[in-house]
Amino acid sequence: SQTIHQWPATLVQPVGSPLSLECTVEGTSNPNLYWYRQAAGRGLQLLFYSIGIDQISSEVPQNLSASRPQDRQFILSSKKLLLSDSGFYLCAWSVGGPGGGYTFGSGTRLTVV
Amino acid sequence: GEDVEQSLFLSVREGDSSVINCTYTDSSSTYLYWYKQEPGAGLQLLTYIFSNMDMKQDQRLTVLLNKKDKHLSLRIADTQTGDSAIYFCAETPYTGYSSASKIIFGSGTRLSIRP
Repeated sequence: SQTIHQWPATLVQPVGSPLSLECTVEGTSNPNLYWYRQAAGRGLQLLFYSIGIDQISSEVPQNLSASRPQDRQFILSSKKLLLSDSGFYLCAWSVGGPGGGYTFGSGTRLTVV
Repeated sequence: GEDVEQSLFLSVREGDSSVINCTYTDSSSTYLYWYKQEPGAGLQLLTYIFSNMDMKQDQRLTVLLNKKDKHLSLRIADTQTGDSAIYFCAETPYTGYSSASKIIFGSGTRLSIRP
């Protein structure tokens, strides 16, 4: 069965420090992968999506970057965190095609202090 | 551009029906979804409806789609305390099997249950 792992679950980082959040998917190949951010009391904002290794599309300009070094690994990074980067980060995967929706990871709560 | 809107809060009495409403703007939307998010957790797909349908029922859940008005609703019958969560409406244009199907989410409706 397909599973998605996301870690860490919570993270507190000082302003200006680097960030690396990792997401891996098991039980499927060539998934579409997504990073979303959910700010406090707000909806989900699509940050990045990827349809294959090293194929990353950015939805909004920001202080973050994403990489996909392997088929089932998706990494969200920053060189220097800002206070506004705080939020709940969700990784998701889907297979192309109708009706599947996304399967989400359990999320990482990032607090930048 | 694409936009999905829903009210932020809904409070219902336990045992009553809950109706969560959503409007969307993308006329090319092919799939519309309802996701549930419990506190501190990721999102769980509850149900979805294809745009050529106007109703879908799954146990206590009923989804109604008015494509003309671009209005989607989720009805939860016999609401229980375990239904307390944030419910997200979402839509996606189907752009082909091999492409990344971006899903656009609403801001979520927080459903609270009172005794």
